[in-house]
Amino acid sequence: QLVESGGGLVQPGGSLRLSCEGSGFTFSICGMNWVRQAPGKGLEWVASVTPTSDGIFHADAVKGRFTISRDNSKNTVYLQMNSLRAEDTAVYYCATPVAPTGEYLALWGRGALVTVSS
Amino acid sequence: QSALTQPRSVSGSPGQSVTISCTGTSSDVGAYDHVSWYQQHPDRVPKLMIRDVSKRPSGVSDRFSGSKSGNTASLTISGLQAEDEADYYCFSFAGNSWVFGGGTMLTVL
Repeated sequence: QLVESGGGLVQPGGSLRLSCEGSGFTFSICGMNWVRQAPGKGLEWVASVTPTSDGIFHADAVKGRFTISRDNSKNTVYLQMNSLRAEDTAVYYCATPVAPTGEYLALWGRGALVTVSS
Repeated sequence: QSALTQPRSVSGSPGQSVTISCTGTSSDVGAYDHVSWYQQHPDRVPKLMIRDVSKRPSGVSDRFSGSKSGNTASLTISGLQAEDEADYYCFSFAGNSWVFGGGTMLTVL
């Protein structure tokens, strides 16, 4: 399973770090992703990291503000979010193909709500 | 990284078939056989229904099938059931990024 943590209320311009811990599968060989969903809106891909962190990718909407990283010794993937804006308000899901390579999302966490508001 | 184009809504009666389209470009849907589909019921976590255009994960009903032609992928649901009523999203690899469709609301009449 995947369990996200670190969500909450933050003021515009502030920072927040989300964590997602995996269990029940070999975390270190799986690509990991962050996907978000604003209230009442559709799904939006945010960022991806390869198993060994040799490939890191971010959506244009968050590039330069958000950073994905992982610690395989802790079975955890992170999303550092800086310079937050109101439009970043969303439920943030971590997801994985549960495979070394796989351009799909087979396992999802329950999500962490991030609210950016003054 | 423009969103893939899906119809906002489709509908069908129980027992009928419906098809949801997902149109991208030659840089995403048309370039790779890495299109997947997700079902999301209200206030629930998305569920993988189809991966790699047409492969059905274990446990997914064989009423769900996927295909692709050029820059357009499609999800077909046959033998519609009330429980199929949900939002559906396509998702495509696009080189060094990934992109979702805008989502389609399926109503079972």
